[in-house]
Amino acid sequence: NAGVTQTPKFQVLKTGQSMTLQCAQDMNHNSMYWYRQDPGMGLRLIYYSASEGTTDKGEVPNGYNVSRLNKREFSLRLESAAPSQTSVYFCASKPSSFETQYFGPGTRLLVL
Amino acid sequence: TQLLEQSPQFLSIQEGENLTVYCNSSSVFSSLQWYRQEPGEGPVLLVTVVTGGEVKKLKRLTFQFGDARKDSSLHITAAQPGDTGLYLCAGLSGGYQKVTFGTGTKLQVIP
Repeated sequence: NAGVTQTPKFQVLKTGQSMTLQCAQDMNHNSMYWYRQDPGMGLRLIYYSASEGTTDKGEVPNGYNVSRLNKREFSLRLESAAPSQTSVYFCASKPSSFETQYFGPGTRLLVL
Repeated sequence: TQLLEQSPQFLSIQEGENLTVYCNSSSVFSSLQWYRQEPGEGPVLLVTVVTGGEVKKLKRLTFQFGDARKDSSLHITAAQPGDTGLYLCAGLSGGYQKVTFGTGTKLQVIP
């Protein structure tokens, strides 16, 4: 039982490049989340998926797209990376409604 | 946009001292959670408070949810170096699906 896994752990991109951050959970959770964490800003919700087949915008969705591929996987795509997207990205999942969120180890992204 | 402001932003204290961290919002939340995050790792849940006025204790940590469900506090008694970390509050809304995190409080406990 690996919990929530994220790949890659670290990535450097040039402005304008695209990439997809992968997230998978093996806990059979319904809900999955993508956050970004910047110094002094706490975690900000980018997108979330309350259940397989649904996605909703969070606080800072601009410049990102997501795909809930199946119940296990929730990917985050940057179509044209910008330096402002330099951050640490966390994926999380939880069973449903009033439950604990479990976080992955994070992906550190640097956009030059 | 729902915002959760935490204060103080940074706190450096000596081992054995007491401290309180505040989490305030103008929005009402269904419930509020507190997390602790170590460097290089994701946040880990400490507690969830659901009812206005609720108080929960976890060893030396005491959590309180405001009566109006807009604010919360975390009090640590006799802080230990192991308490060092980033403390985050998070408000749940939208049927508990939407989670809004606070700005974070970085705590350092000096031995």
